[in-house]
Amino acid sequence: DAKTTQPNSMESNEEEPVHLPCNHSTISGTDYIHWYRQLPSQGPEYVIHGLTSNVNNRMASLAIAEDRKSSTLILHRATLRDAAVYYCIPLYNNNDMRFGAGTRLTVKP
Amino acid sequence: NAGVTQTPKFRILKIGQSMTLQCTQDMNHNYMYWYRQDPGMGLKLIYYSVGAGITDKGEVPNGYNVSRSTTEDFPLRLELAAPSQTSVYFCASVGDLYNEQFFGPGTRLTVL
Repeated sequence: DAKTTQPNSMESNEEEPVHLPCNHSTISGTDYIHWYRQLPSQGPEYVIHGLTSNVNNRMASLAIAEDRKSSTLILHRATLRDAAVYYCIPLYNNNDMRFGAGTRLTVKP
Repeated sequence: NAGVTQTPKFRILKIGQSMTLQCTQDMNHNYMYWYRQDPGMGLKLIYYSVGAGITDKGEVPNGYNVSRSTTEDFPLRLELAAPSQTSVYFCASVGDLYNEQFFGPGTRLTVL
């Protein structure tokens, strides 16, 4: 069975980088890896996605391991507004997007 | 573009009542999804659709039905409401699986 694992929670200090890990050891070569986050009392919002190479956008960077069995979402300078639950979503089945429990990120001032 | 809209925002149902949660998107997206989120938990996929006339079950489909007669609309039907269906329901859409999924604001449903 496809399985994605993320730490339940992580803490960071404001203005410091945050590395959020995700293991997806059963991923196949064509499965994209998506990351979403959910701020308190809001719906999820897109963060970033990638397939093989590392990806950057204005919100974050996504580092994908060479064997693709893991990936890391990088927030370069965490702010208080980045406190949220972060979801790693490999598209094991190309049609549905399933959210797991995610990682709850706490940012300390 | 309004994006993904959901109605109603809030609803209280009695056990055994039925209702339809509406979801509409104006981005001409093929893929649409229904999720539920229980307090303090992650999202669970209820049903999804890859295009008009095509729907499929997700992780937790029992107690729900969907239809997709148009590209824009993807209503979720609860036939016999139960307290276990108390949750926040999110609808989402995406043009293709290589792009961003857009979420509606959610419907908070309470079944008493």
